[in-house]
Amino acid sequence: QQPVQSPQAVILREGEDAVINCSSSKALYSVHWYRQKHGEAPVFLMILLKGGEQKGHEKISASFNEKKQQSSLYLTASQLSYSGTYFCGSVGAGGTSYGKLTFGQGTILTVHP
Amino acid sequence: NAGVTQTPKFRILKIGQSMTLQCTQDMNHNYMYWYRQDPGMGLKLIYYSVGAGITDKGEVPNGYNVSRSTTEDFPLRLELAAPSQTSVYFCASARGTTTDNSPLHFGNGTRLTVT
Repeated sequence: QQPVQSPQAVILREGEDAVINCSSSKALYSVHWYRQKHGEAPVFLMILLKGGEQKGHEKISASFNEKKQQSSLYLTASQLSYSGTYFCGSVGAGGTSYGKLTFGQGTILTVHP
Repeated sequence: NAGVTQTPKFRILKIGQSMTLQCTQDMNHNYMYWYRQDPGMGLKLIYYSVGAGITDKGEVPNGYNVSRSTTEDFPLRLELAAPSQTSVYFCASARGTTTDNSPLHFGNGTRLTVT
């Protein structure tokens, strides 16, 4: 089952912060985050593993709460280059979902000068 | 570093025609995937392969076929194209499985229109 991302879209000015959430109805092994710029391929940002660890990429960090089956992506002091569509991918932890990577519908982030 | 290369970049097909989308990677990755991306729907897995000679269906395999005769190549075949297959197709590869925490490396996509 597809994870649900929120919000669907967000508009920022340079320097502002944003949070993108990803929620799943199934137990999760890990969560992937990718960014896709318009007309380009998705690019890997980070993988979050069970244990609530946080990871970072530039000024982008993320957390993973496996009990709540949720992950959040934090974009701090946003730059124009952060614009794009952000996808989370949930990897199932058990049953028929084990190891299966399913992507959310995406969150469109637009950063204005 | 070429990474994952897809051809063609764009294609227009008439209903009922067939075509093959090419995908090749030079990273010696065992795992390869085909996704389709429809507006607002994220990425849906069509087929995947865990190594040469081994393929399996994903979420949306109907209307497609794949083969994996070499580690490098993973072509996707569309038989009897239908308007519902209008989409952007992405090929991806990974060194290991998702439970090995291997990230996906995507190609630049093929934009297909069926009219």
